[in-house]
Amino acid sequence: QKEVEQNSGPLSVPEGAIASLNCTYSDRGSQSFFWYRQYSGKSPELIMFIYSNGDKEDGRFTAQLNKASQYVSLLIRDSQPSDSATYLCAVNREGGSEKLVFGKGTKLTVNP
Amino acid sequence: SAVISQKPSRDICQRGTSLTIQCQVDSQVTMMFWYRQQPGQSLTLIATANQGSEATYESGFVIDKFPISRPNLTFSTLTVSNMSPEDSSIYLCSVEGWGQDEQYFGPGTRLTVT
Repeated sequence: QKEVEQNSGPLSVPEGAIASLNCTYSDRGSQSFFWYRQYSGKSPELIMFIYSNGDKEDGRFTAQLNKASQYVSLLIRDSQPSDSATYLCAVNREGGSEKLVFGKGTKLTVNP
Repeated sequence: SAVISQKPSRDICQRGTSLTIQCQVDSQVTMMFWYRQQPGQSLTLIATANQGSEATYESGFVIDKFPISRPNLTFSTLTVSNMSPEDSSIYLCSVEGWGQDEQYFGPGTRLTVT
């Protein structure tokens, strides 16, 4: 069974710090990796995607992918209270599949 | 990204009844998906809805319980049939993006079955 594992947290960081969110996946054939942010009572919002090994930066967010280790992470620099949310890691099921498998999410709290 | 709407946004239903949830997109998309998110849990894919073909259901979900329609490239419905309290959940539709496998979600329908 395809699995995506995340530390459920909660992860608490002070405002201005770097928040590091981690995710491992079981299917070596996965090619597409996504981070979604979900505020309480809201639907998931896509914030980052990465397809190749290495780092991808977008503003305060950096996604990191290591396919050999089957590991993907999300760094949030200069964390703000508005970043407080649950972050869901999603991975496509197998090479070329449009279906996604979601982790259970990590709840992040940024303290002012 | 596309603008996605869902109706109703929430509902409280009695056991044994059925509810149809609508998902509307402001642009044509090939792939639409229906998910369930139970309280405190992550997203579970119910089925994939392609226009012009039968929906493809995931393990544990059957057409009799969750019939899906996809009459055109901008609209889909999910019906939750013969509801029980265990069906209380948030139901989300999503659509494929224009890159590589990304999906965008509608606002969700919060269903409570009493």
